[in-house]
Amino acid sequence: QSVLTQPPSVSGAPGQRVTISCTGSSSNIGAGYDVHWYQQLPGTAPKLLIYGHTNRPSGVPERFSASKSGTSASLAITGLQAEDEAEYYCQSYDRSLSAWVFGGGTKLTVL
Amino acid sequence: QVHLQESGPGLVKPSETLSLTCTVSDGSLINYYWTWIRQAPGKGLEWIGYIYYSGTTNYNPSLKSRVTISIDTSKKQFSLKLNSVTAADTAVYYCASFVEAPRPDVFNIWGQGTMVTVSS
Repeated sequence: QSVLTQPPSVSGAPGQRVTISCTGSSSNIGAGYDVHWYQQLPGTAPKLLIYGHTNRPSGVPERFSASKSGTSASLAITGLQAEDEAEYYCQSYDRSLSAWVFGGGTKLTVL
Repeated sequence: QVHLQESGPGLVKPSETLSLTCTVSDGSLINYYWTWIRQAPGKGLEWIGYIYYSGTTNYNPSLKSRVTISIDTSKKQFSLKLNSVTAADTAVYYCASFVEAPRPDVFNIWGQGTMVTVSS
């Protein structure tokens, strides 16, 4: 059970907008630590999508964006495409655990 | 483009030591943090620990008593040793880093991962 809680699954039709939440606590997100987001396609290593709440690495489409408020963060994907179907993970630091932690992951299904 | 490649045995016996190496190509280890992360089958990601190029380490407290990460800058490699393994250590092990700046908390390059099974 991760200290960062994500919904197990979300879905959306092509072209739609979906959001994935990441709920933490005052020990991690609420303490001001950066939140990062990764995309993992089946059988591959995770890929960094967003870091430091809102920064996109080179090559990541602007369709991916993130936000943070209080003890939660969220990833938004607009203009959903079939290739977006993947597992998505949030990540932050937890000072109680003294460790970087990942959310449990959210499976995005493109209908 | 920096490239990471994990190597090591795919099968380790219970109670023995898991040893993996990550080789860094097309880049330098200097000034960056080098991290190990694992993913049990069908599960999420778990941060194991990192080593800075200078040799400073930081481990996940849940694994700290069993983990050692070392670095050899001349060989452009860093390594993971996890002792007293059990079936719960069966996972895909990734090496990772952030090569835009010296940050230990985020990872923009990953190895392809190597599956390690703990079984007799």
